[in-house]
Amino acid sequence: QSVLTQPPSVSGAPGQRVTISCTGGSSNIGAGYDVHWYQQLPGTAPKLLIYVNSNRPSGVPDRFSGSKSGTSASLAITGLQAEDEADYYCQSYDSSLSGSRVVFGGGTKLTVL
Amino acid sequence: QVQLQESGPGLVKPSETLSLTCAVSGYSISSGYYWGWIRQPPGKGLEWIGYIYHSGSTYYNPSLKSRVTISFDTSKNQFSLKLTSLTAADTAVYYCARRWDLVQFDPWGQGTLVTVSS
Repeated sequence: QSVLTQPPSVSGAPGQRVTISCTGGSSNIGAGYDVHWYQQLPGTAPKLLIYVNSNRPSGVPDRFSGSKSGTSASLAITGLQAEDEADYYCQSYDSSLSGSRVVFGGGTKLTVL
Repeated sequence: QVQLQESGPGLVKPSETLSLTCAVSGYSISSGYYWGWIRQPPGKGLEWIGYIYHSGSTYYNPSLKSRVTISFDTSKNQFSLKLTSLTAADTAVYYCARRWDLVQFDPWGQGTLVTVSS
């Protein structure tokens, strides 16, 4: 059971817009820790897609955007393309009485219809 | 650009110790950043294992802390993971990655599959 909750799957037709949510709590996202997003294409390593809530690394298309509010974050993908079909993971940091650690969401599989 | 490459045994027996190495090219690991390990069981999500700061300080996932050691070999510009008392639940693809100041990981190595089985 992941500390950060993501929907297991989302889908959309080419050209459409989809969003993936990432819900945390008061010890992670709600405590002010930043959220990062990764894209994992089939059979490959994760790749940083969005860092510090809403920033795109060089080379990432502006079709990808991120936001954060309260105890949640979201990844939006506009103009959906077949090549976007992948698993997407959010990541943050969690600090509680049981210790501090990096935490990931369970991942969301994006299917392009 | 910075590149990372994991290496190690693909098959390890239960109760034994796993040793993996991450070779870094394009940057001297003793100069800065954190250097970490993340794993992914087959068909499942990502789990942070730990990381080491360029000064040598280490930080581990509390759930794995008693079994994990991460260390540097600066002469070879690489860092290592040791995980003891292996069980089938440790079967996973193990990734190494560079951690930036705001805790994002980039880049990642290609990953190496480790199977724990007798």
